Formats: sequence, C-alpha cells, structure tokens
Amino acid sequence: DTAVSQTPKYLVTQMGNDKSIKCEQNLGHDTMYWYKQDSKKFLKIMFSYNNKELIINETVPNRFSPKSPDKAHLNLHINSLELGDSAVYFCASRGTDSNYGYTFGSGTRLTVV
Amino acid sequence: GQSLEQPSEVTAVEGAIVQINCTYQTSGFYGLSWYQQHDGGAPTFLSYNALDGLEETGRFSSFLSRSDSYGYLLLQELQMKDSASYFCAVLKGGYNKLIFGAGTRLAVHP
Repeated sequence: DTAVSQTPKYLVTQMGNDKSIKCEQNLGHDTMYWYKQDSKKFLKIMFSYNNKELIINETVPNRFSPKSPDKAHLNLHINSLELGDSAVYFCASRGTDSNYGYTFGSGTRLTVV
Repeated sequence: GQSLEQPSEVTAVEGAIVQINCTYQTSGFYGLSWYQQHDGGAPTFLSYNALDGLEETGRFSSFLSRSDSYGYLLLQELQMKDSASYFCAVLKGGYNKLIFGAGTRLAVHP
C-alpha cells in the first residue's frame, strides 16, 4: 500500500528516558514533516526535511532531534522525556503537485509517566 | 506571527448543509487548506485554495477571499460519517509551511 507509515503506534515510557519514532513514506515525496498534536488537538509543526536537508526547525527543545537518512525516511529522537512531551506525533509528506496536500501517517501516541 | 480563527464546535442534522468559517492573519500567505480528522485518526487532506473563489469536490466545497483573509468549508448533504474535526490551515511561502487552526468539531445528529 502507498502510504506514510509510523512506528510505533503507541509508546508509554517513563520520564527521563530516550525514545525514537520512525516514519517512512513510499509516495516518492521530497518533503517530510513532524507535527505535534496536543490534548486540545492543536497541530503544531516541529520540523521539515526536503530531500534529506533540514528546512524548517521550529522553536522546539533541543531534546528533540530529527534525522533523515534518505528522502523516504524521517525519524524523531527525543532525549530526557518530560511529562509535557505527552502528545500524538504525526509524520507527513508532501509531493510537488499543485494541490499542496499533505499525507499524514496514522500518528504515534506518546505517553510519558 | 500568524493566527487562524475558526469556531470550536458546530452541530447539524443529517442531510443539512453546514459552513465552517476561517479567518487568518499571516505574512507570506500562499493558500488555504482544509483537513478532516476523525477521533483517533490522522488528518486527511480535503481541499486547497490559492486563488479567490469556490472549489467544489463532491459534497464538499471550499471558498477563499484573499482580500478579506477569509475562507470557509461548505459541507452539503451531511452524513453521520462527517462527524469529525475540521482544520483550516494556511500555507506559508518560503518552505511551504502549513500552519493549522485550532479545529472545528462537527457533530452530525440523526
């Protein structure tokens, strides 16, 4: 199936731990994103990569570090997890067609306890 | 900075028509998008307007007025499955950054 896939779907971890979320897209898109959706459902952009190059880096704690080994993959590593990091993290990708539609992954629900 | 305003909740009955408004303030405006998100699901792309006017896709239509910094999503012949959150989002120039509004929760009742 063509899609944006993220793993894991659920992640429960203790404060202070380090965790990673992986994202892969097989749509041939050049640009990938990480968004954070909080408990009030507000979607906020965190990072964007275009063909492995970081192009958007919003005001995000430096405990969050994205990595794009190739244009089909964008991973998110989070160090020293805090309670406030609990949220749903969405990966998305966008092609170069004219409608500018983003394709989102199914999300990773991160719970820090 | 930027801001987007949309109603937090809208309620309608099956078969009705509902309009969800969105006003925005931002620099570097490219266009306005709409996304649908069901509870527990991912946002899915509905429409994109770069130019003034109405774009129709089946039961859904989206409108943009750049001079008024205003747009709306029109949903016709509402069905129960349309119950979801609807987000307007501004596409900003430069690196094509998509900035989302806070979302409108639509509840469709029988």
